[in-house]
Amino acid sequence: ETGVTQSPTHLIKTRGQQVTLRCSSQSGHNTVSWYQQALGQGPQFIFQYYREEENGRGNFPPRFSGLQFPNYSSELNVNALELDDSALYLCASSRDSESYEQYFGPGTRLTVT
Amino acid sequence: SQQGEEDPQALSIQEGENATMNCSYKTSINNLQWYRQNSGRGLVHLILIRSNEREKHSGRLRVTLDTSKKSSSLLITASRAADTASYFCATGVYYGNKLVFGAGTILRVKS
Repeated sequence: ETGVTQSPTHLIKTRGQQVTLRCSSQSGHNTVSWYQQALGQGPQFIFQYYREEENGRGNFPPRFSGLQFPNYSSELNVNALELDDSALYLCASSRDSESYEQYFGPGTRLTVT
Repeated sequence: SQQGEEDPQALSIQEGENATMNCSYKTSINNLQWYRQNSGRGLVHLILIRSNEREKHSGRLRVTLDTSKKSSSLLITASRAADTASYFCATGVYYGNKLVFGAGTILRVKS
């Protein structure tokens, strides 16, 4: 186990709704990255938060947003859900923004109907 | 978009055999990592090889990196049924630790 937790485990939403996913980073880690993994594909980088600031973003629209809190836990928010947003959402924590190894949580499976 | 391509997409072997997976990538990298994923769950870090290294071992795992060919291979020796999983390579670029993943190889080890 990595010590990274995510909630909820599964979630079903309707197209157009909004969703918030949560991640608690491993103790001592100040950086959280979020990835989206569509079925049958590898994870794709959404964005990273380092010390409560966004520190890089992948090719995702602005309706994907995030937050990092003083305890370094993080939220991923997705507005105006689309069917293609159905995926496994993974968060990963690392000791800092330059540490190579990332520790992944178990993921949140989001289904949009 | 995916950085790397794993080959093969799927591999089925008998327990005790060796499994080799290959990964190719497109841009200059700082490091390359291999991860395992069981049944659509979280990713488990297996091994990291830096761009100035050519080979690395960890237990039954052997990773090679050829930066001139922009390719890497993961060898799992004496495979076990518990090795059944999806394996992904991920590249780390300079100045930061954001990872770019390939599409993965599905490994099935039959007992």
